Amino acid sequence: DAKTTQPPSMDCAEGRAANLPCNHSTISGNEYVYWYRQIHSQGPQYIIHGLKNNETNEMASLIITEDRKSSTLILPHATLRDTAVYYCIVMNYGGATNKLIFGTGTLLAVQP
Amino acid sequence: DADVTQTPRNRITKTGKRIMLECSQTKGHDRMYWYRQDPGLGLQLIYYSFDVKDINKGEISDGYSVSRQAQAKFSLSLESAIPNQTALYFCATSESGFSTDTQYFGPGTRLTVL
Repeated sequence: DAKTTQPPSMDCAEGRAANLPCNHSTISGNEYVYWYRQIHSQGPQYIIHGLKNNETNEMASLIITEDRKSSTLILPHATLRDTAVYYCIVMNYGGATNKLIFGTGTLLAVQP
Repeated sequence: DADVTQTPRNRITKTGKRIMLECSQTKGHDRMYWYRQDPGLGLQLIYYSFDVKDINKGEISDGYSVSRQAQAKFSLSLESAIPNQTALYFCATSESGFSTDTQYFGPGTRLTVL
């Protein structure tokens, strides 16, 4: 599975958009980009995933560059409850394990 | 989301004791996973199971064993607990047969081995 690189921490003002970057320069054609988040010591929560097209759901938007080497998770109106560690993960569905490999993620701190 | 439950939520035990962590799910998913998380680090996969008769080792299976008693139940055992197994343990489930594999996590079990 490809590795990802994320900044260790970011701040965002409440009500503003939070843009979390992720580099995955070695991603292969059949690997998806997943985003999860973990609010302090709780179980990780699925946010969104995509292959090559931009995706949007009720929680967030995912923007994947055309070359697929990087992506950005966008929380359009961050709230204090969005303070969490955000994990960007690439996974090859159909491989032997389909397992998620978690890195250390980005700690997003939403400030009042 | 109470679809994935873990018991106990907290456990303190002593070195050398056998301990079992249990996971149950009502999502009807085929696939179940056990992860551990050490402070300040990401999750590491211990074992995973794609159906009742399928058990696979993950990245850090040494010192652990699992049992898939039914589609809805997946237990993790520490045969002889040691202090460096002190960690937060998460169970997760996912559904087979789709083009992607979104995992849903339980609330976690905090295990302390003295």
